[in-house]
Amino acid sequence: GAVVSQHPSWVICKSGTSVKIECRSLDFQATTMFWYRQFPKQSLMLMATSNEGSKATYEQGVEKDKFLINHASLTLSTLTVTSAHPEDSSFYICSVKQGANTEAFFGQGTRLTVV
Amino acid sequence: QKEVEQNSGPLSVPEGAIASLNCTYSDRGSQSFFWYRQYSGKSPELIMSIYSNGDKEDGRFTAQLNKASQYVSLLIRDSQPSDSATYLCAVKTAGGGNKLTFGTGTQLKVEL
Repeated sequence: GAVVSQHPSWVICKSGTSVKIECRSLDFQATTMFWYRQFPKQSLMLMATSNEGSKATYEQGVEKDKFLINHASLTLSTLTVTSAHPEDSSFYICSVKQGANTEAFFGQGTRLTVV
Repeated sequence: QKEVEQNSGPLSVPEGAIASLNCTYSDRGSQSFFWYRQYSGKSPELIMSIYSNGDKEDGRFTAQLNKASQYVSLLIRDSQPSDSATYLCAVKTAGGGNKLTFGTGTQLKVEL
C-alpha cells in the first residue's frame, strides 16, 4: 500500500495563530489527497479534496478561507488552519488513493490543540 | 438516512470468540467496500477490501458483501484483546466521486 507521512504528529498553538500541517505521499505521485477531521469519539469527516495544481474541493460547511489547502506538487499537500480557535482542536488526518475504486491510505494524523 | 451506517457499540466479546461487525449503505450503485481498524489516538489502518458479492477471507478476518441487501460485514475469528479498537466501514459510493464515505464506526472490546 501507499506510504503517507504527515507532519507534525501533534501541535499546541495559541488562539488566533495559524498552523500548517503537511501530508506527503512517499512512494507514488498523488494527484488527489483528502483531508479529514475527527473529533473525540466521532467518525472521520471529510473536509476537502486536495487537487494537484488546482483548487481544493471543500465539503459543505467547511470554511475554505479558514482551512487553506495547497497541493503544489504530486507528493505534498498542506493544510493551514488560519486564526485557530479552541473549537478547531481536533485530530486532522490526510489520505491518498491510488485509484478511483481503491482503498485509502492514511497519514499518522496530527493532533491539534488550540489554547 | 445516513449513507453508511454502523452500530456504535461497544460490542463486547470474550477472547477466542467470533466478533461480527455490520455495516449498511444507502447508495445501491456503490462499488467498493473497505474495513478499517482505528486504535484510540491513531489513524485508521486498512484491514480488508471487498468488491464483489460473497466472502473474502484474510487470516482471521472475513469480509462479507451482499449488494442486494446493501450490507457488508466483517467477522473476526479467535478474537484477541489486541483486536479491541474501533472498526470503520468505508464505501466508495457511485455518486461520491473519488472519495470514500465512512460510517461512524463500531467499538469492539475483546475481554479476557
